[in-house]
Amino acid sequence: DAKTTQPTSMDCAEGRAANLPCNHSTISGNEYVYWYRQIHSQGPQYIIHGLKNNETNEMASLIITEDRKSSTLILPHATLRDTAVYYCIVRRLGGGGKLQFGAGTQVVVTP
Amino acid sequence: GAGVSQSPSNKVTEKGKDVELRCDPISGHTALYWYRQSLGQGLEFLIYFQGNSAPDKSGLPSDRFSAERTGGSVSTLTIQRTQQEDSAVYLCASSFSSGGESEQYFGPGTRLTVT
Repeated sequence: DAKTTQPTSMDCAEGRAANLPCNHSTISGNEYVYWYRQIHSQGPQYIIHGLKNNETNEMASLIITEDRKSSTLILPHATLRDTAVYYCIVRRLGGGGKLQFGAGTQVVVTP
Repeated sequence: GAGVSQSPSNKVTEKGKDVELRCDPISGHTALYWYRQSLGQGLEFLIYFQGNSAPDKSGLPSDRFSAERTGGSVSTLTIQRTQQEDSAVYLCASSFSSGGESEQYFGPGTRLTVT
């Protein structure tokens, strides 16, 4: 599976949008982009995933560039409860589904 | 509905003892995964089950680690002759299937401390 690169950390003000970048320049055509987050002392939580079209759900939006080499997770109105480590993961369909986590981005939402 | 549950939530054991960690997946989920997260380390994949079969055991760190799943439901991860480097949070996840786009739902984990 393709590797991903994310910033180590970022801060966001409460109520503002948080834009989390991810680089996956070696992504293959049959690989999806998944985002999970892990709040301290909890198991990871699924956020959203996509192949090439932009996606939106109740938690976030996912913007994937046309060449699919990078993506941005958008939390539209960050709250203090969004403080977590966010993982961008590239996952191949039919590969058994295991997730390969990198170091992720530590997001701190401040009042 | 009920999520993925794991037991015990915490386990302290002496070096050399065997431990069993249990995972109850979401009802109806055919795929089950084990991961571990060591202090200061990322999450690493251990093994996954599709039904009762384990097509991918590539993440098990040594032959002291084994896992089984019965009835397509509960799974047990066993660590024999525990070592201090086995100390970690062991996380279980389940998904509707191992293929396709199914997202994984994680349990709260079992924190294992080997003294």
